[in-house]
Amino acid sequence: GENVEQHPSTLSVQEGDSAVIKCTYSDSASNYFPWYKQELGKRPQLIIDIRSNVGEKKDQRIAVTLNKTAKHFSLHITETQPEDSAVYFCAAKGDTGTASKLTFGTGTRLQVTL
Amino acid sequence: DTGVSQDPRHKITKRGQNVTFRCDPISEHNRLYWYRQTLGQGPEFLTYFQNEAQLEKSRLLSDRFSAERPKGSFSTLEIQRTEQGDSAMYLCASSLAGGRSGANVLTFGAGSRLTVL
Repeated sequence: GENVEQHPSTLSVQEGDSAVIKCTYSDSASNYFPWYKQELGKRPQLIIDIRSNVGEKKDQRIAVTLNKTAKHFSLHITETQPEDSAVYFCAAKGDTGTASKLTFGTGTRLQVTL
Repeated sequence: DTGVSQDPRHKITKRGQNVTFRCDPISEHNRLYWYRQTLGQGPEFLTYFQNEAQLEKSRLLSDRFSAERPKGSFSTLEIQRTEQGDSAMYLCASSLAGGRSGANVLTFGAGSRLTVL
């Protein structure tokens, strides 16, 4: 089955700096890669996603890049703000068979300091 | 219908008791997923349904766990003879099946937190 690894496990940045979180996946059948943000005590919420036919996607201060050949994808947050502090999870999913469920990474705790 | 609803939000039980959680997905979503999340970890897949059919169960899911989605709408997750290691947040999510716009996007409920004493 799919295995998703995520690094780093914790990340501390100063307000206004950029943050980068990296993930690798193992199943070449995976074709959908979402990122979820989870604040303490709350549900995971989708912040951005990318499909395998696209190499990069941007939404305001958030961008995701995908390298299918190397099987890795990254989340980039620019101009970080205190409200970006949360745990971020990457995930991977395919369409059929055992790849058709979303497999999550272990999470990155991002802390944005003033 | 404003999202995925889960009930109860919190459950405290004694070891050996049975517990049942309920999930009401977004009404037009035909896929429903159950995940378990422990502190500091990512959500861990348990099982999922497409309509009323249970299509996959994690190998990690012992036979004390059973899930149903009898009419293809709400789902229940039952844990029999609970153990302390079952203490976790049980998350439900729903999505459209593949091939349609918005498919694959999982929307999560707020979760049911289980504490086994």
